[in-house]
Amino acid sequence: AQSVTQPDIHITVSEGASLELRCNYSYGATPYLFWYVQSPGQGLQLLLKYFSGDTLVQGIKGFEAEFKRSQSSFNLRKPSVHWSDAAEYFCAVARNQAGTALIFGKGTTLSVSS
Amino acid sequence: EAGVTQFPSHSVIEKGQTVTLRCDPISGHDNLYWYRRVMGKEIKFLLHFVKESKQDESGMPNNRFLAERTGGTYSTLKVQPAELEDSGVYFCASSQDPGGVYFGPGTRLTVL
Repeated sequence: AQSVTQPDIHITVSEGASLELRCNYSYGATPYLFWYVQSPGQGLQLLLKYFSGDTLVQGIKGFEAEFKRSQSSFNLRKPSVHWSDAAEYFCAVARNQAGTALIFGKGTTLSVSS
Repeated sequence: EAGVTQFPSHSVIEKGQTVTLRCDPISGHDNLYWYRRVMGKEIKFLLHFVKESKQDESGMPNNRFLAERTGGTYSTLKVQPAELEDSGVYFCASSQDPGGVYFGPGTRLTVL
């Protein structure tokens, strides 16, 4: 069965430091992968998605993610974190090749210290 | 362009009562989804509409939950009767295949 693992429940990063949030997936075929962010009091916002092609995907707000098939990973990165990046981040994989219906990881809460 | 909207943003009801949540997808999106996040757990898929038809309702927890999508536009999710374990945040999302899935702000349901 498909699944998504986000190993880190909570991460604290200093403002200006780099960030990497880990995501591992289990899926039999080529996955459709997503990263979402939920800021306090807000809904889920799509940061980026991977369907095929270039394995390094650029998203909004300066985020990027790299698909590594050999490691079943889709880690999210940002070179310099801003205080406004403090939020909960979710990795997700689509349940089928149509790209519909997502399976989410449990989320990683990012805190940014000054 | 308006995003996915949900109403109400919060609902507090007593066990045994009925609650109806509404979702308006992004205009033109044929796919509409309902998800739920129970406190401390991951966001879980409930069901998927394509236009007015239920494509996949494998995530619906039990028959106390009824989802409808009138004319392929907005959708409602009714919980009747509500139980304590139904508390959580209910998200609606929409998409056009195979584009990104766009989520609404969620409805926080509290069952007392």
